Amino acid sequence: KNEVEQSPQNLTAQEGEFITINCSYSVGISALHWLQQHPGGGIVSLFMLSSGKKKHGRLIATINIQEKHSSLHITASHPRDSAVYICAAYSGGGADGLTFGKGTHLIIQP
Amino acid sequence: NAGVMQNPRHLVRRRGQEARLRCSPMKGHSHVYWYRQLPEEGLKFMVYLQKENIIDESGMPKERFSAEFPKEGPSILRIQQVVRGDSAAYFCASSPPARADGYTFGSGTRLTVV
Repeated sequence: KNEVEQSPQNLTAQEGEFITINCSYSVGISALHWLQQHPGGGIVSLFMLSSGKKKHGRLIATINIQEKHSSLHITASHPRDSAVYICAAYSGGGADGLTFGKGTHLIIQP
Repeated sequence: NAGVMQNPRHLVRRRGQEARLRCSPMKGHSHVYWYRQLPEEGLKFMVYLQKENIIDESGMPKERFSAEFPKEGPSILRIQQVVRGDSAAYFCASSPPARADGYTFGSGTRLTVV
């Protein structure tokens, strides 16, 4: 069974800082998802990637398949980026094929 | 394309009542998944359905919980005789048949049992 670990668990930073959230997994996967959840809110899919790097606005996601590691970066962070960021590894198979990390609670202070 | 629609957004039930949570998948998606998120915990898989079929219900509690995805209409997650411990956020996601193409999540239903 895939184990998905995220770090840090909690992160508080000042507005404008460069943010990095890490995700590592134990078993080979075919895709990795980064999700965002605001307090009391729904879940938004930010990225799905299986190799290399993707960028959307101030968000960048990278994945290293050989090292079984992915990172989510936020440039020029803003208080509205405060949310829980969840990585989910997709390895197919039965059930939903996803294994979720526990999430990183990010707070950006003005 | 309205995305995954869940309703109600918030649901309050007294202990012993029934809770019915609805999920309409994204257009073109035929696979539906239900997840539970307890306070301060991660998402936990409950059940995976396709139209008129339960594909995997390994995450469903053995009693009081059931799910369906009929030929017509939304998927329903039903919790009978709710207890306080059922209070949680319940999320639905959908995907196309090629699941690796991605999942779309709904806004969730927050169930409070009083």
